[in-house]
Amino acid sequence: QVQLQESGPGLVKPSETLSLTCTVSGGSISTFYWNWIRQPPGKGLEWIGYIYYSGSTNYNPSLKSRVTISVDTSKNQFSLKLSSVTAADTAVYYCAKDRGWGFDPWGQGTLVTVSS
Amino acid sequence: QTVVTQEPSFSVSPGGTVTLTCGLNSGSVSTSYYPSWYQQTPGQAPRTLIYSTNTRSSGVPDRFSGSILGNKAALTITGAQADDESDYYCVLYMGSGIWVFGGGTKLTVV
Repeated sequence: QVQLQESGPGLVKPSETLSLTCTVSGGSISTFYWNWIRQPPGKGLEWIGYIYYSGSTNYNPSLKSRVTISVDTSKNQFSLKLSSVTAADTAVYYCAKDRGWGFDPWGQGTLVTVSS
Repeated sequence: QTVVTQEPSFSVSPGGTVTLTCGLNSGSVSTSYYPSWYQQTPGQAPRTLIYSTNTRSSGVPDRFSGSILGNKAALTITGAQADDESDYYCVLYMGSGIWVFGGGTKLTVV
């Protein structure tokens, strides 16, 4: 069965770019939609955006100007870049697969803290 | 701006039945929004319970069911158990590739 694992720095400085990678195992990334979702400490979930395996993307309008999601099918990975981060971007970041009807499975999540 | 609404908190007695809802600040939720439901306990990733309104994800007990009730999506838990005490989130598909989560419901079993 498909499993997802996030990786990347746990600490990012304000104004810099947050970069995370999601590695997909147990199945090919060359199907369906691959999403990033985040959750600030003590708060709810926020959908960030997705990339389709072909490379087309869609982003949360509130984050669109700062977000880039890309895919590397040769490595079975997809990535998130969020620019000009502030403390408000501190969150647990999850990657998740979407077959067109919702998110499943999810990665375990990785905490990214924005602080100098 | 579209807001997906959920009850901030709810409580249920062990063995009881509870229905959590997922609505819109403007308009009605229908199956076209592909409502799905997720359970999250502290420190854990969300677990998918229901997708496409009423389809249970693999391994989810039939105590959990999804539906459309009136103008909202609904998650009903029958025979509530202590380990159902969690946060529950719904998400709706808004079209044009956009998903919006509700604010979540904290369910207490007491």
